[in-house]
Amino acid sequence: AQSVTQLGSHVSVSEGALVLLRCNYSSSVPPYLFWYVQYPNQGLQLLLKYTTGATLVKGINGFEAEFKKSETSFHLTKPSAHMSDAAEYFCAVSEPSSYKLIFGSGTRLLVRP
Amino acid sequence: SQTIHQWPATLVQPVGSPLSLECTVEGTSNPNLYWYRQAAGRGLQLLFYSVGIGQISSEVPQNLSASRPQDRQFILSSKKLLLSDSGFYLCAWTQTGGYGYTFGSGTRLTVV
Repeated sequence: AQSVTQLGSHVSVSEGALVLLRCNYSSSVPPYLFWYVQYPNQGLQLLLKYTTGATLVKGINGFEAEFKKSETSFHLTKPSAHMSDAAEYFCAVSEPSSYKLIFGSGTRLLVRP
Repeated sequence: SQTIHQWPATLVQPVGSPLSLECTVEGTSNPNLYWYRQAAGRGLQLLFYSVGIGQISSEVPQNLSASRPQDRQFILSSKKLLLSDSGFYLCAWTQTGGYGYTFGSGTRLTVV
């Protein structure tokens, strides 16, 4: 069965600092991996996704993530945090043969001025 | 282009009342449709998904049900709401293959 673990329910960084949000997954087959962002009282917006090919994936708003099969990880990074990055971030996994998208518990990113 | 509509945006209902939340997708055919719930301070829980008209898979046994009366319409229902049904409900769609899931704007349900 697929599962996702996001380490840290809250991460706080200073504006301009590196953002690192951690995600580890469990899957019996090569997975599809996703990062979504959610602003208060809104739906989820896709930041980036990995399906096949290049393991370093670039997304919107300057975010990127790297698929590391040996570590079963898909951590999200951004070199320099901006105040507008404050939101909740969800990692998710799907298997190509499955209809289901399974989410982690989410990480709330706080950006200090 | 494809769009997903979800309504209402907010809803306050008394305990024991019925519920009907609607989701429609435009610009595509035969989408896979999903209902998720997000309780306060928790992640997203998959409630139901549908890969075709009349085909509903339930992930969590509970007080809710789902129906898909038309290809691009997905409805979440309850006959009698419980306090524990409060939460943020999200509809989503994707095409088979799962390359990307698009979410609606959500419905904030408060049961009082």
